[in-house]
Amino acid sequence: DSGVTQTPKHLITATGQRVTLRCSPRSGDLSVYWYQQSLDQGLQFLIQYYNGEERAKGNILERFSAQQFPDLHSELNLSSLELGDSALYFCASSASDVGTIGNIQYFGAGTRLSVL
Amino acid sequence: QKEVEQDPGPLSVPEGAIVSLNCTYSNSAFQYFMWYRQYSRKGPELLMYTYSSGNKEDGRFTAQVDKSSKYISLFIRDSQPSDSATYLCAMKNTDKLIFGTGTRLQVFP
Repeated sequence: DSGVTQTPKHLITATGQRVTLRCSPRSGDLSVYWYQQSLDQGLQFLIQYYNGEERAKGNILERFSAQQFPDLHSELNLSSLELGDSALYFCASSASDVGTIGNIQYFGAGTRLSVL
Repeated sequence: QKEVEQDPGPLSVPEGAIVSLNCTYSNSAFQYFMWYRQYSRKGPELLMYTYSSGNKEDGRFTAQVDKSSKYISLFIRDSQPSDSATYLCAMKNTDKLIFGTGTRLQVFP
């Protein structure tokens, strides 16, 4: 168990809908990262938050947004869902910022999103 | 060209074999190199973490980094069926962590 908790485990929804994925980082970790994993694309970095502030953006669509709350948990919001958004969404956390020497990301078990 | 290239496999080996998994990269700024293991329907878990060139050993696992060739390897000795998983290389510099697409490994009894 990595200590990173993601809910829900599975989500089935229809095109055009909006969903929220939740992540609780390991105790004491300040950074939260969101990744999307699909069969043909591998693990794609979406966005990082560090202590409540957006730190880095990757290949995140404008329909997607995230935030990190004062208690350090994070939510990823996906709206106007399309069939191609079906994927595994992972949250990872680390104690420090990504560039820090020794920074290690620990992953949650993921949320499997199916858009029908 | 992708920053990190990894053969997707699948790689199928008999129990007890030595497995070699590899990645190449193009960004010479990468300084930290990692291997993650991902079982089916689970999150990636960190296996090995190395800095700069050289070897690092942990039990049956050895990570090797050759920065001059931009090539990293993970060796698994005495492979076990429980090693069957997808192995992702990852590397970072000061501001980003990039993953390979992963190599699926199957170790059969």
